Amino acid sequence: AQKVTQAQTEISVVEKEDVTLDCVYETRDTTYYLFWYKQPPSGELVFLIRRNSFDEQNEISGRYSWNFQKSTSSFNFTITASQVVDSAVYFCALSEGSNSGYALNFGKGTSLLVTP
Amino acid sequence: GAGVSQTPSNKVTEKGKYVELRCDPISGHTALYWYRQSLGQGPEFLIYFQGTGAADDSGLPNDRFFAVRPEGSVSTLKIQRTERGDSAVYLCASSLGSYTGELFFGEGSRLTVL
Repeated sequence: AQKVTQAQTEISVVEKEDVTLDCVYETRDTTYYLFWYKQPPSGELVFLIRRNSFDEQNEISGRYSWNFQKSTSSFNFTITASQVVDSAVYFCALSEGSNSGYALNFGKGTSLLVTP
Repeated sequence: GAGVSQTPSNKVTEKGKYVELRCDPISGHTALYWYRQSLGQGPEFLIYFQGTGAADDSGLPNDRFFAVRPEGSVSTLKIQRTERGDSAVYLCASSLGSYTGELFFGEGSRLTVL
């Protein structure tokens, strides 16, 4: 079963628009971690954020913000005032304590295109 | 460089051939992971090393795939009797400790099996 669902395959916005990328996860563990990674056209995955299951506080980092809601098993990512450089594929991932090494289970990704 | 290094960046081979992909993790990182990414998909877990031992190889698709990390640093992913379906980007990642989950990825090795 898919543990991480990113329902949006592709999103296209115009620069300066706000955009939210959705992520829904599934786990039976009480201890788990959620991540967002960015994969620009160059291909290298870049870590953006990690949240643990006990910390539901939302987080803001510059133009990026994350909304973690255990009640809906969601960990959504919002980019405010998007820029062309934000164009990339964004992956949400789940790491469960029951997995050896906390290996990440990735969603299929959302391709974001920001046009001038 | 200070990041995860993978070689070769591109490998084209013929069906049935043997292939080795190398990963040099960030110095001091004890955990090492191999992932495979097909076009339009998220990375798929293959195997995890903690030190020299393979702590979890549950993601390896079949016995044609094998990986080693003999000295707890560099790792090699080995694929025997390659098939066209093995074509993908093979990603290596390392982390300070498995519990952190913050993985640092290399740029990947793109394997094409003709």
